[in-house]
Amino acid sequence: DQQVKQNSPSLSVQEGRISILNCDYTNSMFDYFLWYKKYPAEGPTFLISISSIKDKNEDGRFTVFLNKSAKHLSLHIVPSQPGDSAVYFCAAGGNDMRFGAGTRLTVKP
Amino acid sequence: NAGVTQTPKFRILKIGQSMTLQCTQDMNHNYMYWYRQDPGMGLKLIYYSVGAGITDKGEVPNGYNVSRSTTEDFPLRLELAAPSQTSVYFCASSYRERDKNIQYFGAGTRLSVL
Repeated sequence: DQQVKQNSPSLSVQEGRISILNCDYTNSMFDYFLWYKKYPAEGPTFLISISSIKDKNEDGRFTVFLNKSAKHLSLHIVPSQPGDSAVYFCAAGGNDMRFGAGTRLTVKP
Repeated sequence: NAGVTQTPKFRILKIGQSMTLQCTQDMNHNYMYWYRQDPGMGLKLIYYSVGAGITDKGEVPNGYNVSRSTTEDFPLRLELAAPSQTSVYFCASSYRERDKNIQYFGAGTRLSVL
């Protein structure tokens, strides 16, 4: 059973525009949510997180939104830059974490 | 700090062979994890540990074993390698707090079973 889903395998946006990556989860017991960025041949690196007691967390160009009733979280990148091109994973859980399949973001100059 | 170090980076095994993937962290993190990533897929949790001497199964534990005798080390053992275990393996560690669990990942071990 896939408890964390990223339904868009890829996303392409123009430099300077907004990138919106989406993630859905099924387990209402999850209390912590994260976004990771991954480049080829490297491990994932932490980007931004949010706990279940909040609905928004912002860090520079990156904002994560959490809608607990819909079991949905999203990552907004504004403005998008070519260096943001990577695979983005959402993760959810508590002690153990579950990952989505990833969304490949391409930011075109 | 080195962070999370995984060895080896690459390995080819024959069916039925065994091996241990090593993972060491120098951040004094209490939690450690093993994931596998198959092509085009997300990370699947194999095993995790909340502290020395304590381990728990994740989503896909069959065919693997782990131990956590020290805070720093969390080796993953494959006893009888099978082609289905061909994957990239990532180790991670984190300092779990009440509302925080940021994992730091190693660079991965690419394993092929032929």
